[in-house]
Amino acid sequence: GAVVSQHPSRVICKSGTSVKIECRSLDFQATTMFWYRQFPKQSLMLMATSNEGSKATYEQGVEKDKFLINHASLTLSTLTVTSAHPEDSSFYICSAREGQGVWSTEAFFGQGTRLTVV
Amino acid sequence: RKEVEQDPGPFNVPEGATVAFNCTYSNSASQSFFWYRQDCRKEPKLLMSVYSSGNEDGRFTAQLNRASQYISLLIRDSKLSDSATYLCVASRGATNKLIFGTGTLLAVQP
Repeated sequence: GAVVSQHPSRVICKSGTSVKIECRSLDFQATTMFWYRQFPKQSLMLMATSNEGSKATYEQGVEKDKFLINHASLTLSTLTVTSAHPEDSSFYICSAREGQGVWSTEAFFGQGTRLTVV
Repeated sequence: RKEVEQDPGPFNVPEGATVAFNCTYSNSASQSFFWYRQDCRKEPKLLMSVYSSGNEDGRFTAQLNRASQYISLLIRDSKLSDSATYLCVASRGATNKLIFGTGTLLAVQP
């Protein structure tokens, strides 16, 4: 099956620094990628949808200047958490689809990145 | 109110039991529906899609009722390995984005 690779799997950073998370589709071209965040004992919350070559669409309440998304190629999307603070500590997961809209494949998920800001 | 709602559980059942999970969604524009399984500290994995006609995959049966905006998952002959969080998911919009429910925790006891 299709594989989505997310890196790093775990990161600990100091408050005020920025962290970049990469999401790669390994054997297909991902026109659309999605970024989710999951706090302990809660479900996945969609943060933003990124489309290759265009600006990401952010969900309500998600600060686009804090969570920078770049989808420069059909196989790579990155999420940068800028000036991270302890409340940004969470499990970040990406997912990717081949194709668009109702013609797209099922969503394949990366392994997730556990971010801890100290 | 969350767009996709589930009973968080936990559901503690003995091995071999049959267990049913329910889910409701509030956005009638939702197009497709799924059940995902998530193990602790792991990414979610697709369990099965859900169709109005009902569909079965081994011990798992899923059902969708669009009129009442209700989705169900039935697990028969529960195994220890079924212990996980089960996520009800709706997709909608031009990008077919996935909206996750809060999840239902299942613990199958020996």
